Amino acid sequence: DIQMTQSPSSLSASVGDRVTLTCRASQNIGHYLNWYQQTPGKAPKVLIYSASSLQSGAPSRFSGSGSGTDFTLTITRLQPEDSATYYCQQSITTPLTFGQGTRLEIK
Amino acid sequence: EVQLLESGGGFVQPGESLRLSCAGSGFTFSNFAMAWVRQAPGKGLEWVSGITGDGGSTLYADSVKGRFSIARDNSKNTLYLQLNTLRADDTAVYYCARAPGSSGWPWIDSWGQGTLVSVSS
Repeated sequence: DIQMTQSPSSLSASVGDRVTLTCRASQNIGHYLNWYQQTPGKAPKVLIYSASSLQSGAPSRFSGSGSGTDFTLTITRLQPEDSATYYCQQSITTPLTFGQGTRLEIK
Repeated sequence: EVQLLESGGGFVQPGESLRLSCAGSGFTFSNFAMAWVRQAPGKGLEWVSGITGDGGSTLYADSVKGRFSIARDNSKNTLYLQLNTLRADDTAVYYCARAPGSSGWPWIDSWGQGTLVSVSS
């Protein structure tokens, strides 16, 4: 199975900040990388698919980049509602594996 | 509006069985591959099983292979997951999930609200 490793595990930032979350795959996954946001008690929702495509309805302050094994999710102009856990997921092969998540706290 | 509504979760003892259902609405059910993803309490997401839009192909995580079975009834717009020989480490919220196409799972574009399966003696 492809292992997905996210860093950091958690971070704290202020409203208006720019933050970057990282995801690393254990092997080359091309652009088959998705990012999800999950708030407590809710189902996840996709923000970015295929490494850099913004899901319809997702705020434009979210952006994704990377290819191969290293990927980033960048959030600019942080808002209070961005407080959540973010997961990356590879979809180049089954089983579709997720990273362990990055918990983002807004100060 | 796409809606996925799970049901069938509950509290069972180790070794017992459950069947989860997921009713889809707001889209042409048979045109989309579907999946089950679970989340143990306080843990991350784990892809469990997937099925293509026509039901012709199914896939399972190694952790559930031989114990769980995914199926769909496109005439009823419903996805199922049969959970047999349940273990304590199967305890999780089980999410019904939709892929954006019929034959694979490039990403998950819609999720249900989840149904809790709790396995304990």
